[in-house]
Amino acid sequence: AQSVTQLDSQVPVFEEAPVELRCNYSSSVSVYLFWYVQYPNQGLQLLLKYLSGSTLVKGINGFEAEFNKSQTSFHLRKPSVHISDTAEYFCAFRGSSNTGKLIFGQGTTLQVKP
Amino acid sequence: GAVVSQHPSRVICKSGTSVKIECRSLDFQATTMFWYRQFPKQSLMLMATSNEGSKATYEQGVEKDKFLINHASLTLSTLTVTSAHPEDSSFYICSARVEGGVSAEAFFGQGTRLTVV
Repeated sequence: AQSVTQLDSQVPVFEEAPVELRCNYSSSVSVYLFWYVQYPNQGLQLLLKYLSGSTLVKGINGFEAEFNKSQTSFHLRKPSVHISDTAEYFCAFRGSSNTGKLIFGQGTTLQVKP
Repeated sequence: GAVVSQHPSRVICKSGTSVKIECRSLDFQATTMFWYRQFPKQSLMLMATSNEGSKATYEQGVEKDKFLINHASLTLSTLTVTSAHPEDSSFYICSARVEGGVSAEAFFGQGTRLTVV
């Protein structure tokens, strides 16, 4: 079965510290991988995506993620977080066929403290 | 990026009434739109996939007669919650996919907070 696991439900971190939000997926087919951010009472905004090619992808707001096929992981990182990064983060993937639906992880709440 | 507009952002309705939520792709045509439901502090649960000009495909456990989906044009899909009850209170989010290209990336609306009293 296809699934996404975000290993941490909450990640507290101090401002200007580095952060890593972990994501592992399970799929028998090639996938496209995504990270989305959700602020309170809002929809989802795409942070970054991996389609193919370089395994290190850079996104908006200083975030980056690395695709590791052997470990089936797609962890999100930022070297220095800001208070404004406090939000819910979702990892998602879908099969590389165009008809595939997005499968979401459970979400990780990033809490940036001053 | 592409813009998806969802309206209304918040709605309060009385139990037993119906509520319509609109999802529009503003600057692109969306052959496929998706409707999600999100409970507090939980992930998004896909309710149905909406294809322009055809019947929506509902996920297992989602009542198609309760959650009516219409995708009449390439830029508009609507979700109608019929005979709403307090347990239908939730955050509903739509997304639209940009067809073509490698990833057929999905863009999300702002969400609708439905409260049934």
